[in-house]
Amino acid sequence: DAMVIQNPRYQVTQFGKPVTLSCSQTLNHNVMYWYQQKSSQAPKLLFHYYDKDFNNEADTPDNFQSRRPNTSFCFLDIRSPGLGDAAMYLCATSRDQGQGYEQYFGPGTRLTVT
Amino acid sequence: GNSVTQMEGPVTLSEEAFLTINCTYTATGYPSLFWYVQYPGEGLQLLLKATKADDKGSNKGFEATYRKETTSFHLEKGSVQVSDSAVYFCALSDPYSGAGSYQLTFGKGTKLSVIP
Repeated sequence: DAMVIQNPRYQVTQFGKPVTLSCSQTLNHNVMYWYQQKSSQAPKLLFHYYDKDFNNEADTPDNFQSRRPNTSFCFLDIRSPGLGDAAMYLCATSRDQGQGYEQYFGPGTRLTVT
Repeated sequence: GNSVTQMEGPVTLSEEAFLTINCTYTATGYPSLFWYVQYPGEGLQLLLKATKADDKGSNKGFEATYRKETTSFHLEKGSVQVSDSAVYFCALSDPYSGAGSYQLTFGKGTKLSVIP
């Protein structure tokens, strides 16, 4: 089945220690998104790629970076995680942008910062 | 700007009860509307969608109708099951909102608990 895969499902890192979360997709979609979701809140968009074009949200901290080496993979790098970065991180894809193009979400990576 | 307002939760229902979760929206253009469901510890799954006024989205017994005149997209199900316990998010995508047209604007989510 075509899908969005996130690894690992659970990640524990230490305060200030860089961490990378990964996302892969077999849908061959053009657009990939990273969201941060804190407990009992709606997902918050961090950035997205349209093909290789990177688009950062204005309020995404510089501590968060992303890479998309090819169509299938996208990575979220947190350079110096703080306690406030503990959250669920969701990757999503869509075939294109515009009317009616729904986003398909992966299962998420739960990040704990100790 | 765009916004989505959902009814506050949590909502607790007995099995086989009727479910309504209200959702209203504000958008600058003609948005597409979505309901996503999130089961505990999981990512979001698309439940249903509607792309134009008077469209009805339906899936797994859930329905929602795009009402432009009342700017609403209420989620309904005639008979809920314990397995429907989850958080439900209403969302919109407005392709005419300019630079942010790719964005999903989410409501805050409504937690549903169904008890046997």
